[in-house]
Formats: sequence, C-alpha cells, structure tokens
Amino acid sequence: SQQGEEDPQALSIQEGENATMNCSYKTSINNLQWYRQNSGRGLVHLILIRSNEREKHSGRLRVTLDTSKKSSSLLITASRAADTASYFCATDDRASGTYKYIFGTGTRLKVLA
Amino acid sequence: NAGVMQNPRHLVRRRGQEARLRCSPMKGHSHVYWYRQLPEEGLKFMVYLQKENIIDESGMPKERFSAEFPKEGPSILRIQQVVRGDSAAYFCASSPGQENIQYFGAGTRLSVL
Repeated sequence: SQQGEEDPQALSIQEGENATMNCSYKTSINNLQWYRQNSGRGLVHLILIRSNEREKHSGRLRVTLDTSKKSSSLLITASRAADTASYFCATDDRASGTYKYIFGTGTRLKVLA
Repeated sequence: NAGVMQNPRHLVRRRGQEARLRCSPMKGHSHVYWYRQLPEEGLKFMVYLQKENIIDESGMPKERFSAEFPKEGPSILRIQQVVRGDSAAYFCASSPGQENIQYFGAGTRLSVL
C-alpha cells in the first residue's frame, strides 16, 4: 500500500464528540503534515509535526507522531458541524531528497449537528 | 499577501484538445508542486519545480504532460491531446523552501468530454 494511509476512511460523529483519525506511512520522514479539504475546495494546512517531535497542539487539534511505528494521529476535540471535511496526512519522502509530499487517501469526517 | 492562485477554476475540453493550467505561487515562494486528485481519492504528486528548473517529475505521465515554471510568470501544467481519464482536480502548491509548509491553491477542475 502507499505511503500515508489514513483510517478510518469515513467517520460520523455527533457535535461535541471527539474525532480521532490515524495515518500510517512507510518510509523515513522529516516531517508529517495534516490538511483539511472541504468538498470541492483546496487544501488547508492544519499542523506540521517534525520527526523529532512526539506531540503538538493547535487549538482543538492534537497531533501525535510515533516514528517507531510510523504512525500519526489527529484528534479534534469538541467537534463542530464546521469540522465536516476530508482530512489528509502528508509525509515528505526523505529518501528521495526532493521534499515532495505523499498524501494518503483521507478520512471523511461528518459531524452531525 | 494573496494566496496561491490557480486558473481557470473549471476547464472543459473535448478529447484531443490541449489543456493549460496556470498557477501563480504566493509572493516570495520559488517552489511549486503540482498534484492531481481523482474523486474520493487523495492527492497524487506529479511534479516539483523551482524557477526555470524541474526538480522532480517522477509523478508525471511520460507522454502528453509537461510542466514549466519560467523566470517570469506563472507555472504552467500542460496536457496535450486530453483523454477522458485526465478528468480530475489539479492542485498547485507553493512554498518558500523545500522543508516548508506547502500552501495550496483552490485547484482547477478539468472535465474532458
């Protein structure tokens, strides 16, 4: 399978609940990023975590990175209807040396009001 | 500081025609990346350019596709003799340097009839 696989593929929760999405990757990385994409729109950068970091917070977002397991998780706390979107992780391909990003297939989050 | 600008937002072409997609990076950004996204899928890396140079085109189809980022003007992704399978959303991203966050445009949605 390709770099940056997210799971679950789809997630439906009630407003106010927490949403957790996971991402696995295969190669060594310099950093990992999470992006949000609203339907039919471009991507919005959410958070970047470097390979020497284990956890990072930004508002209601919490990202963890476990390089030994080659995995990351994105937690959205106290979700809102406006959080409904697709969420992608992207990893840089350290081995290639060109810093292109490899995206996963995304988690489609639906927050019900 | 305007964001990454892509035009057109929507492009309709008949099979065999040429499609030309433009991307103006954010001010001060000299690194441009092109990605393709099929419905319900993640973004697939196509090509990475710096001013006047193609750094990594490992994701570009060998035929019909080309990209440039001239000294002056926007980056152009050109698809010659389009086929129905080229229908997708094409996103451009820019960054000030290799390890920096990539900022995405709103994309160009290409439909081939």
